[in-house]
Amino acid sequence: SQQGEEDPQALSIQEGENATMNCSYKTSINNLQWYRQNSGRGLVHLILIRSNEREKHSGRLRVTLDTSKKSSSLLITASRAADTASYFCATDKWHWTGNNRKLIWGLGTSLAVNP
Amino acid sequence: GAGVSQSPRYKVAKRGQDVALRCDPISGHVSLFWYQQALGQGPEFLTYFQNEAQLDKSGLPSDRFFAERPEGSVSTLKIQRTQQEDSAVYLCASSHNRGGRVPGELFFGEGSRLTVL
Repeated sequence: SQQGEEDPQALSIQEGENATMNCSYKTSINNLQWYRQNSGRGLVHLILIRSNEREKHSGRLRVTLDTSKKSSSLLITASRAADTASYFCATDKWHWTGNNRKLIWGLGTSLAVNP
Repeated sequence: GAGVSQSPRYKVAKRGQDVALRCDPISGHVSLFWYQQALGQGPEFLTYFQNEAQLDKSGLPSDRFFAERPEGSVSTLKIQRTQQEDSAVYLCASSHNRGGRVPGELFFGEGSRLTVL
């Protein structure tokens, strides 16, 4: 079962514009991660934000987390053609009493940055 | 190696055949995960290892799916009597963090694309 739900499902912008993707989730979490996946490739970790954080930056990436609304957003500023990829959010709720940990993934946003 | 390595990258199987997919994680990584990703979907959790112990196999869709990591390093996902609905990309990921402790990023392989005819 998938918990995260990204929107929009697909986004097409021009190079230089900003891209904003949103992720909503259903249950309480310990942290939320964003990953990128180029077509036919594996996923690459972008950024992790913990449940007690509200905003985090990494280069041209800005992630926000609103636990009251159970939502997160990923902003890519000054987009480039090379940013074309699918972007997934994944929530983490590990169990202290056990050794179980698994990320629950959304369906992804497909971003196309046109030169 | 420098990253997570998966083989084969592509596998075509006839319905009913058995397949084995291999994952070679980053050296020293304790945690290893298998995910299934259908076209246009996000990854779906299959199973999790901490060293050689399979701590969670709740995502395996049926008893035709079996995973092992006998020496706590290389892992194999085996699918017996493949069905068409098994067609997907199978992703392996590893992490240096223990599963129930501090979270960390997952390092993914390129995946093994299975097509069952």
